[in-house]
Amino acid sequence: SQQGEEDPQALSIQEGENATMNCSYKTSINNLQWYRQNSGRGLVHLILIRSNEREKHSGRLRVTLDTSKKSSSLLITASRAADTASYFCATDPDSGTYKYIFGTGTRLKVLA
Amino acid sequence: EAQVTQNPRYLITVTGKKLTVTCSQNMNHEYMSWYRQDPGLGLRQIYYSMNVEVTDKGDVPEGYKVSRKEKRNFPLILESPSPNQTSLYFCASRFSGQGVNQPQHFGDGTRLSIL
Repeated sequence: SQQGEEDPQALSIQEGENATMNCSYKTSINNLQWYRQNSGRGLVHLILIRSNEREKHSGRLRVTLDTSKKSSSLLITASRAADTASYFCATDPDSGTYKYIFGTGTRLKVLA
Repeated sequence: EAQVTQNPRYLITVTGKKLTVTCSQNMNHEYMSWYRQDPGLGLRQIYYSMNVEVTDKGDVPEGYKVSRKEKRNFPLILESPSPNQTSLYFCASRFSGQGVNQPQHFGDGTRLSIL
């Protein structure tokens, strides 16, 4: 099955620094979504970017999408210890199916 | 409060003993889905449902069944569980329609251990 890939797999930064994580995917998409997961808990939706958008902001989050390279990035600015979590990208394929494809996730640790 | 509710949250059982994980949402969402999460593999979709009585296979449907008799409920059934189905399971829902561009809402997860 096709799966998105995220890098890095793990990231450790100091509080106040910016965190950038990347997602690559394989199919054409309707949209790409980023989710956060605190340890062992459910996923929480952060931001959705449509295939015809290139950049989107939400608070301290900035997402970019490059459909020609089939890649997206999530930037968290001025990180806080509470941002410590795993981050996943998910694509909504433009394939006539309704299957979501999730990346393998980036584990972010923000040190106080 | 808008939510997706899964039960049970934790279950330890034995090989071959049929079990059902329930999922209920109160947001009137048409689309519901089940995922399993395993270390290093991210989330993989098991089954999804576009609406009542409409279900389809995801990427890893083997060993699982689902039904969608009511809009709010989407139970996951393991007829004969095996140890390789030990995993963390998530139910999710959203408004339906391709191109609707709606996020999914997730339950808190069910941790299954099959001995």
